[in-house]
Amino acid sequence: AQSVTQLGSHVSVSEGALVLLRCNYSSSVPPYLFWYVQYPNQGLQLLLKYTTGATLVKGINGFEAEFKKSETSFHLTKPSAHMSDAAEYFCAVSEFGAAGNKLTFGGGTRVLVKP
Amino acid sequence: ETGVTQSPTHLIKTRGQQVTLRCSSQSGHNTVSWYQQALGQGPQFIFQYYREEENGRGNFPPRFSGLQFPNYSSELNVNALELDDSALYLCASSPTDRPNYGYTFGSGTRLTVV
Repeated sequence: AQSVTQLGSHVSVSEGALVLLRCNYSSSVPPYLFWYVQYPNQGLQLLLKYTTGATLVKGINGFEAEFKKSETSFHLTKPSAHMSDAAEYFCAVSEFGAAGNKLTFGGGTRVLVKP
Repeated sequence: ETGVTQSPTHLIKTRGQQVTLRCSSQSGHNTVSWYQQALGQGPQFIFQYYREEENGRGNFPPRFSGLQFPNYSSELNVNALELDDSALYLCASSPTDRPNYGYTFGSGTRLTVV
């Protein structure tokens, strides 16, 4: 079974500073990888995804992530944090098999942006 | 293009009762999945429906069941509610059952079991 580990359940950054959220996965087959954002009392919104091709993926709201197969990582970055980036972020890997096309999520990282 | 809509938004039930949650998938989407998100945790896969058939299930007991209708809307039913069933239940739809597309999520139903 695939799994996802997000290092750091909480991250605090200053407005304008770099945002770096770490995600490592385990998979026995080429993975499909996703980052979702969840604002308070809302569902999940897709930020970006990696399926095939270019390993540097750009998403919405200025976020990007790089797939590194050798490190089994898919870290999410944003060069300059904005107050509106305060939310919880989930990394997920897609698994297609007997259990259907399911997403396996990490535990999430809550981002606090300080003015 | 409408997104995924879920109803109700909040629900309080008593232990032992039964509950039905509803989901309207995004237009053109034939695949619906349900996830349970306990407080402070990532979502956990419950099951998936593709063209009205269950085609995958996570590690949840049989008292969690579902349906998908010809218009691809879906229901999640939970019988004999337990306190640990208190969570945010998320519905997600996709235009395909392939794993590379990703899902559109609804805003969820917050279920509290007392």
